[in-house]
Amino acid sequence: AQTVTQSQPEMSVQEAETVTLSCTYDTSESDYYLFWYKQPPSRQMILVIRQEAYKQQNATENRFSVNFQKAAKSFSLKISDSQLGDAAMYFCAFLYNQGGKLIFGQGTELSVKP
Amino acid sequence: DAGVTQSPTHLIKTRGQQVTLRCSPKSGHDTVSWYQQALGQGPQFIFQYYEEEERQRGNFPDRFSGHQFPNYSSELNVNALLLGDSALYLCASSLAGTGGTETQYFGPGTRLLVL
Repeated sequence: AQTVTQSQPEMSVQEAETVTLSCTYDTSESDYYLFWYKQPPSRQMILVIRQEAYKQQNATENRFSVNFQKAAKSFSLKISDSQLGDAAMYFCAFLYNQGGKLIFGQGTELSVKP
Repeated sequence: DAGVTQSPTHLIKTRGQQVTLRCSPKSGHDTVSWYQQALGQGPQFIFQYYEEEERQRGNFPDRFSGHQFPNYSSELNVNALLLGDSALYLCASSLAGTGGTETQYFGPGTRLLVL
């Protein structure tokens, strides 16, 4: 069974600085997707970034980028130039290519200090 | 372009009652998934509907059932409510099949409180 682990329950970053959130996963599959979702206090789950396992190039979306290490089963999220609006709970999630369910980690609560 | 919508936003029920939650997918999407998120936890997959059939199911009892309509909207029904069913219920939509992205987009959720 696939599992997703986020070992940092809480992280803090100074505004305009860079922070990295960690995620590891366990699977025997070779074809899958990985996601980072952001959930602010409003509770709406917002897609931040997506990575296909077959792509070696790390995904990037503006200030958000990932470090995807397939052999190590690691998928970290880097937020550059952190903004106050980045404060939220961040969830790492795994999706098996032929399956339908997202498997989520426990989340990392990010606070941004002005 | 309307995103995923859910109704109601909040709901209070008592133990033993039944509840129905509703979800309309993002325009162009044909697949709806439901998740339960307890306080302080990551979402847990309940089930997924595609072509009006339950495509996949998580580890939830039969008290949890669903339906998908021809317009792709979906309902989640929970019977014989327990205190432990209190949670945020999230609906997500995606596009299946060739050309589909598999990426799931979430609605704002329904907060259910069981007293």
